[in-house]
Amino acid sequence: KAGVTQTPRYLIKTRGQQVTLSCSPISGHRSVSWYQQTPGQGLQFLFEYFSETQRNKGNFPGRFSGRQFSNSRSEMNVSTLELGDSALYLCASSLVPGDTTYEQYFGPGTRLTVT
Amino acid sequence: QQQVKQSPQSLIVQKGGISIINCAYENTAFDYFPWYQQFPGKGPALLIAIRPDVSEKKEGRFTISFNKSAKQFSLHIMDSQPGDSATYFCAASLNTGFQKLVFGTGTRLLVSP
Repeated sequence: KAGVTQTPRYLIKTRGQQVTLSCSPISGHRSVSWYQQTPGQGLQFLFEYFSETQRNKGNFPGRFSGRQFSNSRSEMNVSTLELGDSALYLCASSLVPGDTTYEQYFGPGTRLTVT
Repeated sequence: QQQVKQSPQSLIVQKGGISIINCAYENTAFDYFPWYQQFPGKGPALLIAIRPDVSEKKEGRFTISFNKSAKQFSLHIMDSQPGDSATYFCAASLNTGFQKLVFGTGTRLLVSP
């Protein structure tokens, strides 16, 4: 079974621009969560989607948004990029929210560099 | 209360030795505690996980010890190998059904040959 895939793997953007990252979950997984990883703040939860609905959101500004499609694929968008948005953005998929195993499987991430 | 505190920040162990990483939490509503392994340039990979109703779980060379009363849990890597050199993260999840993990700050493990 294929793992979580994320595209693109690397991105370089300029301050003020916006960016869209894509995530395809493991086949059959319906929950997609997004995390930001930086050396200073570590791994931080951004948001979780299930059935095209955002179920939970972390403590990030409104510039960070996402969506999920009917096939469970998800995208996240960051508008008006700031230098501090440079990070590894990780997507994780889980079989079903509320599933007792809570197992989340991560993709390889998208490395975003803002200049 | 949402934090998970992880120690040590870095660890050097000789090949064949035991690596021990510790985590502590405050929120008693956490009910799922996974450990992830991350190599440079890769996403975190799920290693092993435990729930509060058991005190220990073993998978191969990896063991989680869980102390509910002390609100602490630890990862033991037996017979550590150079290939185990990576960053390890503990995490915790609330029993809300939402897939939100709260991560520790990570431990960089180096296993010397």
